Amino acid sequence: KQEVTQIPAALSVPEGENLVLNCSFTDSAIYNLQWFRQDPGKGLTSLLLIQSSQREQTSGRLNASLDKSSGRSTLYIAASQPGDSATYLCAVKCPYNNDMRFGAGTRLTVKP
Amino acid sequence: DTGVSQDPRHKITKRGQNVTFRCDPISEHNRLYWYRQTLGQGPEFLTYFQNEAQLEKSRLLSDRFSAERPKGSFSTLEIQRTEQGDSAMYLCASSLKRERWRETQYFGPGTRLLVL
Repeated sequence: KQEVTQIPAALSVPEGENLVLNCSFTDSAIYNLQWFRQDPGKGLTSLLLIQSSQREQTSGRLNASLDKSSGRSTLYIAASQPGDSATYLCAVKCPYNNDMRFGAGTRLTVKP
Repeated sequence: DTGVSQDPRHKITKRGQNVTFRCDPISEHNRLYWYRQTLGQGPEFLTYFQNEAQLEKSRLLSDRFSAERPKGSFSTLEIQRTEQGDSAMYLCASSLKRERWRETQYFGPGTRLLVL
């Protein structure tokens, strides 16, 4: 059974700092990995999707990498801003069913 | 607004009552998913539809839960005889059927259920 873990559970950084969020998964047989952002009490917003054949994806200040063989992904946020404060979730899509398996998320606070 | 919408956004009910939630997906999306999210956890898959067919159900979906998508557009999720353990955020997502490795799910704002 696929298990997804995110470390740390919470992170607080000063504005302007670069930071890395970590995601690990137990079964390397995945179709893709997706990073989402969730604001308190709200739904999820897709940030980046990395297909299993890809190594990284970039969007603006965000860069996500994927190392499928080691079961790891990182989300790099450059020059963090207070507006980046949210919970960041990673999810993997497995080939043996149609759902996505989510981690519990990393709650990020960027202090002005 | 062309995103996924859910109604109601909040629901408070007493234990034992039935509740029904609605999800309207992005109009051209043929796949629709329901997830449940409890505090401090990631979403957990409940069920998914392709057009009007319910193709997969999680073991989390007990007999008290039923979902429909009668015309392949909007979907409803009903919980009968609610229990306090049903308190959670219920999220709906939709996607366009394409190769699995590049399918992106778009989420609605969720319905937060509190069972007293």
